[in-house]
Amino acid sequence: GENVEQHPSTLSVQEGDSAVIKCTYSDSASNYFPWYKQELGKGPQLIIDIRSNVGEKKDQRIAVTLNKTAKHFSLHITETQPEDSAVYFCAALSFQGGKLIFGQGTELSVKP
Amino acid sequence: GAGVSQSPSNKVTEKGKDVELRCDPISGHTALYWYRQSLGQGLEFLIYFQGNSAPDKSGLPSDRFSAERTGGSVSTLTIQRTQQEDSAVYLCASSHPQVNEQYFGPGTRLTVT
Repeated sequence: GENVEQHPSTLSVQEGDSAVIKCTYSDSASNYFPWYKQELGKGPQLIIDIRSNVGEKKDQRIAVTLNKTAKHFSLHITETQPEDSAVYFCAALSFQGGKLIFGQGTELSVKP
Repeated sequence: GAGVSQSPSNKVTEKGKDVELRCDPISGHTALYWYRQSLGQGLEFLIYFQGNSAPDKSGLPSDRFSAERTGGSVSTLTIQRTQQEDSAVYLCASSHPQVNEQYFGPGTRLTVT
């Protein structure tokens, strides 16, 4: 079935360092890949997304890269700040449309 | 503008009781989704509405779970004869027509005792 694998499950960095989270997906027909940030007790917040017709997208300190051949995409956060600490989820849109298939999440901790 | 809202924010119920969870999507969003998030886990798809119809209900775990949407707006997720394994955060999301971005509400935390 459709599946998204996400690594690492936990990530601890020093403030100012970069953080990278990686995901792989199984359905080659997927064409939309969002990333969500979830803070404790809140719903997931869409922070960036990428479509299959581009290889990279950047928004300030956040960037996402996509390798369709390898079915792999990554989130890069530069100059991390304590407020970046949260759980991050990657997802892939199902080939059937509608539903998102989520990774298991990465708990990012940024130490001051 | 107003985001997706969900009620109640927390619900504690006894095993065997029925519960209703409500989702109010962003105005103008015709697509509505329900997901479930168990403790420390990722999000699991339950059901998807386009307007009032549900083209994909493949994620509903059992026939104790049902959902409806009326007037192309508010949706209700009903769980009958709740079990302890139903304890989770139930999240609702909505999206604009022909646009992939899904925006989530704050969720309803359901605890079955």
